[in-house]
Amino acid sequence: EIVLTQSPATLSLSPGERATLSCRASQSVSDYLAWYQQKPGQPPRLLIYDASNRATGIPARFSGSGSGTDFTLTISSLEPEDIAIYYCQQRSNWPPTFGGGTKVEIK
Amino acid sequence: QVQLVESGGGLVKPGGSLRLSCAASGFTFNDYYMSWIRQAPGQGLEWVSFISSSGNTMYYADSVKGRFTISRDNARKSLYMQMNSLRAEDTAVYYCARAAMVRGIIPVSDCWGQGTLVTVSS
Repeated sequence: EIVLTQSPATLSLSPGERATLSCRASQSVSDYLAWYQQKPGQPPRLLIYDASNRATGIPARFSGSGSGTDFTLTISSLEPEDIAIYYCQQRSNWPPTFGGGTKVEIK
Repeated sequence: QVQLVESGGGLVKPGGSLRLSCAASGFTFNDYYMSWIRQAPGQGLEWVSFISSSGNTMYYADSVKGRFTISRDNARKSLYMQMNSLRAEDTAVYYCARAAMVRGIIPVSDCWGQGTLVTVSS
């Protein structure tokens, strides 16, 4: 199965700063890569699908890029409500797999 | 708006069985694949199972194959997961999610319920 490695494990930034989260796949997943946001006590929410497409209702400060094995989720200007764990997921090959997550904290 | 409400979780002994349900509303249920995804306490996410929109095709993670059975009732707009031979490692919050087949061979889980906790312990 495809292994997704997310880095860093934790990101501490101040409001207004740019957040850059990385997801690396053990083999090419083309652009079949999604990003989810999970706030404490809540279910995951789809942010980005197919590497760069924002899901319905997702603010423009969230953007995704990459293809093949290297992907990035960028939050252009961090808001306090962006405190969460962010997971990437590939749907290129069976079984679909998730990365271990990046926790975003407000400094 | 899309709403997915899971039920049926609880405490069960190892080797026991449990049936989860998910009631859907706010979208055309029989147009979508559906999925179960779980999250062990304090851990990450693990996909468990998909079922096609018609209910004719099912997919399972190796960790649950042969023990779990996914099904759906399109008339009742409901998704189910029959879990047998439960193990301690099945302890998790189980999320029901709508899955959209936008392109490719695996759908995108785009809307999730709040989850139901399954605890397997003696």
